[in-house]
Amino acid sequence: QVRLVESGGGVVQPGRSLRLSCEASGFTFSSYGIHWFRQAPGKGLEWVAVVFYDGRKKYYLDSVEGRFTISRDNSKNMVSLQMNSLRAEDTALYYCARFNSLSAFDIWGQGTMVIVSA
Amino acid sequence: EIVLTQSPGTLSLSPGERATLSCRATQSISSNYLAWYQHKPGQAPRLLVYGASSRAAGIPDRFSGSGSGTDFTLTISRLEPEDFAVYYCQRYGGAPFTFGQGTKLEIK
Repeated sequence: QVRLVESGGGVVQPGRSLRLSCEASGFTFSSYGIHWFRQAPGKGLEWVAVVFYDGRKKYYLDSVEGRFTISRDNSKNMVSLQMNSLRAEDTALYYCARFNSLSAFDIWGQGTMVIVSA
Repeated sequence: EIVLTQSPGTLSLSPGERATLSCRATQSISSNYLAWYQHKPGQAPRLLVYGASSRAAGIPDRFSGSGSGTDFTLTISRLEPEDFAVYYCQRYGGAPFTFGQGTKLEIK
């Protein structure tokens, strides 16, 4: 079964760090780019970051550039999102998703919640 | 940066009716890299349409996408109770992979 499962969310104080993970199964992980998205409470979907299939190219939303780092380990079918210097506005449900060059974002995880609060 | 604007913000319809959702871009979207997603509370977003008009695997044929350039439409021909949700359009031709603000489809 093709699947993505996020983990690592929680409550953290402003300025602290958190590391999210996205574990894949059921497909050839090393062939696909993986993205992170988020949805803040009461808001719409927002793209956050991407790591290409081989890990060589990465892009970020302007507001997280320099604070968030995306990485992948194709031997473990895992993508991570290291989030530093967290702000209240980073509070959101974070999803990872598979990018299929033929059909956009076709597989999504169920999400992991991040709450940044003092 | 290309901005996507969806209309209406909220659409109130009854089961069996036809729904027409609009997505307008500030610049032409190359190669029709435009997708539509359905999102329900507590669930993962679900891909409905990619390439502006291609239905994703397993999506019922009552869902159809159309349009090109800057104007795109998602049509649900005959609403089923499970179709009431929030719908997003998204451009996916390159970063940033922006979404529209969403259209909430609610039961009238």
